[in-house]
Amino acid sequence: NAGVTQTPKFRVLKTGQSMTLLCAQDMNHEYMYWYRQDPGMGLRLIHYSVGEGTTAKGEVPDGYNVSRLKKQNFLLGLESAAPSQTSVYFCASSYSSGDSQPQHFGDGTRLSIL
Amino acid sequence: GQNIDQPTEMTATEGAIVQINCTYQTSGFNGLFWYQQHAGEAPTFLSYNVLDGLEEKGRFSSFLSRSKGYSYLLLKELQMKDSASYLCAVQDSNYQLIWGAGTKLIIKP
Repeated sequence: NAGVTQTPKFRVLKTGQSMTLLCAQDMNHEYMYWYRQDPGMGLRLIHYSVGEGTTAKGEVPDGYNVSRLKKQNFLLGLESAAPSQTSVYFCASSYSSGDSQPQHFGDGTRLSIL
Repeated sequence: GQNIDQPTEMTATEGAIVQINCTYQTSGFNGLFWYQQHAGEAPTFLSYNVLDGLEEKGRFSSFLSRSKGYSYLLLKELQMKDSASYLCAVQDSNYQLIWGAGTKLIIKP
């Protein structure tokens, strides 16, 4: 079982460059999420999706865009990377958002912006 | 505002018991999750509480008091592999997860 797969695992960008982080899940989950994790802080929600073709803003959406063209994929884009976006990015998915349904996480993408 | 508080770091001895506390103030409450995260890895689900009381799963137990905005994770018979960060997360009124910064648990032989 692959679960949630993120690519790439590591990336170094220069300020102003753009890139797309890919997330794929094979659990037929409706809900998908993008988080960032910074030292000394809790996971912060960037954007999320409640189903194919839908996206919504989370706590820290500025500077990021997302797309969910297929149910199994959730893409996170950085249009013009800034050093403040240096972080570890986690994608997660869940069957629903309620009750006891846990979120399942990918292994993360470590992104450095120089 | 919404706030989740956990101790930053704790140290315990192999074979002992440790309790990791979590206090929260959120806009609504629809459940509390505990996750384990080893260094450089993804968070993995440990437990879920929505009603007051203790939930036991093998060596791990989680307790919730909604009136006090308080939860703890109890780890028994500590093993070296339990060295990790433990994340507390509360599901708010919109079913969004609000995450604590995590407690780094160091196990010494």
